[in-house]
Amino acid sequence: DTAVSQTPKYLVTQMGNDKSIKCEQNLGHDTMYWYKQDSKKFLKIMFSYNNKELIINETVPNRFSPKSPDKAHLNLHINSLELGDSAVYFCASSQDSGEGQPQHFGDGTRLSIL
Amino acid sequence: GDSVTQMEGPVTLSEEAFLTINCTYTATGYPSLFWYVQYPGEGLQLLLKATKADDKGSNKGFEATYRKETTSFHLEKGSVQVSDSAVYFCALTGGGNKLTFGTGTQLKVEL
Repeated sequence: DTAVSQTPKYLVTQMGNDKSIKCEQNLGHDTMYWYKQDSKKFLKIMFSYNNKELIINETVPNRFSPKSPDKAHLNLHINSLELGDSAVYFCASSQDSGEGQPQHFGDGTRLSIL
Repeated sequence: GDSVTQMEGPVTLSEEAFLTINCTYTATGYPSLFWYVQYPGEGLQLLLKATKADDKGSNKGFEATYRKETTSFHLEKGSVQVSDSAVYFCALTGGGNKLTFGTGTQLKVEL
């Protein structure tokens, strides 16, 4: 059973479009995250939700909007896609938001903007 | 703010060679420290962790010791295998369990 699953695995789209990436975890965790990995493999946190409430919001353009309908799901919607949004987006989860909790990652969604 | 610095790659080793990947950090307080590994086309997997000074994390033959005096968490393995080829990330957690990553070090192990 996949612990943290993301869909789609690949997303190719045109500049200016709006797209969503979905994430689900079946670990019973309270906290979920979105990370962006750029072409040089650098990873940076974007958002974190704990029990459906936003607790971390890094300096991310407001074209990116996370939504957590329940604590097992954290989706990422991106409006007006730009070339610089091309990256791999990883979802992760942890038992709670306590410092030091190991995070479990999905396999990533590779977003390519044409 | 918090930051992690790890050695530039790629690192190329022969099978059974000794591995060291250096990692140093800057943080307020006493963060938890992690090594994550990313195999091609996959997400990150937790390799090991340490939560306080002098703790040693270990897993699958890999080890790292939390050194507060040198703010370091170097990854070591006595004898690498071809299957260890991957990208290794050093990281620390701050408030809200936010992970701050180093730039990653690609390891390639050859026969």
